[in-house]
Parts: sequence; structure tokens; C-alpha cells
Amino acid sequence: EAQVTQNPRYLITVTGKKLTVTCSQNMNHEYMSWYRQDPGLGLRQIYYSMNVEVTDKGDVPEGYKVSRKEKRNFPLILESPSPNQTSLYFCASSPRLTGELFFGEGSRLTVL
Amino acid sequence: AQSVSQHNHHVILSEAASLELGCNYSYGGTVNLFWYVQYPGQHLQLLLKYFSGDPLVKGIKGFEAEFIKSKFSFNLRKPSVQWSDTAEYFCAVTSYGNNRLAFGKGNQVVVIP
Repeated sequence: EAQVTQNPRYLITVTGKKLTVTCSQNMNHEYMSWYRQDPGLGLRQIYYSMNVEVTDKGDVPEGYKVSRKEKRNFPLILESPSPNQTSLYFCASSPRLTGELFFGEGSRLTVL
Repeated sequence: AQSVSQHNHHVILSEAASLELGCNYSYGGTVNLFWYVQYPGQHLQLLLKYFSGDPLVKGIKGFEAEFIKSKFSFNLRKPSVQWSDTAEYFCAVTSYGNNRLAFGKGNQVVVIP
């Protein structure tokens, strides 16, 4: 089954404790992206990747890191989480930038 | 910068009523346009898309959208909504030559049985 898989789905952590949210797709898509969803703000892009080893900042990259060492994986790293990073995070992939996005189920992160 | 505007962020209507959600974008070049839907507690999924051709696009579940290039708009419509259409709806725009996909802030639609 074609899908985008994110883990963990739910996480409660404390300020400053490094965490990684994994994202994996099995559709051989070149384009992958991370978004955060906050009430009243819609979806805001954090980082995106056009292909392996090619990543770029989105609208709200501060406090996040990503890597794209393999085509299928695009982890989101929070080196030192802060409460303002409490949000619902979505990973998405697409055959190309201008194509339809396929979203993961979302990861709800709470930083205390 | 490319931006997408959605108005009437909260919409409440009764079953069988008609729905229209507005979407305007700022980019003037060739664009691809999308509407995504997010049902309560779920991830986003594609409702319909426009790349080229007939500006009236039909999607799943009886939804349609019309691309009006002169107005930079891509409004979503459904003639008769059902309770199961309760969801949040997002318009998104991507453009050739710009490695960005911009989302609007969404429309929260509640359909009352």
C-alpha cells in the first residue's frame, strides 16, 4: 500500500531534550516536505527536499533540522525543543514539486 | 512572496445547503492549484486539482472548483452538502519555477444535520 509513515504519532517531551520525528515513503517520490499545523495559521512549511541530499528552508525553519540521505526517508530533528514548537506535524511526499502531495497521518508533539 | 488567501474561515451550514469557498493567490505565472480536505482527526487528502485545460474541475464527493485566471481565483463549490462534509478545507498553489507550495489558512466547515 502506498503510504507516508510518520513516527511517533504522539509525543510529550520537555524543553531541550533532542527528538527526531521520522518520515518514510514507499512511493519512490523525489519531493518531500515537513509542515506544522497550528489553529488559525493553517499549514506552514518547515523544510522541503527536492531529492536526495537536496534540502531547503520553508517558511518556518527556525529550531528544526532535516536530512535526506535516502530517497525514502526525511527525518525532522528538533535539537533543543521549546514550548512554541508544540504543534501537529505532517510529512508529505510527491512525485515532483508541482504534483499532488501525499500526507502522513501526523505527529502531535507537546513540549513542556 | 507567493501567498494564498482563504476567506470565511468558519462556515456553518445545514445539510443540503450549497457551499462555496473562496481561494485567491498572488502569483502571476503558471500555477498548479489544489484543494485538500482534512476530516476531523485525519491527515490531509486531495479533493481536486487543476494543472491545465478545462478551468472547471470536478473532484471527489461531488466537489468542483473553477479556475478564473483573470481573478487569480480557484473557488471550491458543492451544490448540496452532507453532514460527512464537515472538515477543514485547504487551498494550495504551486508554481513553475518556484520551489514552493503555499497553503491557505483553511476553512473550517461544519454541516449541521
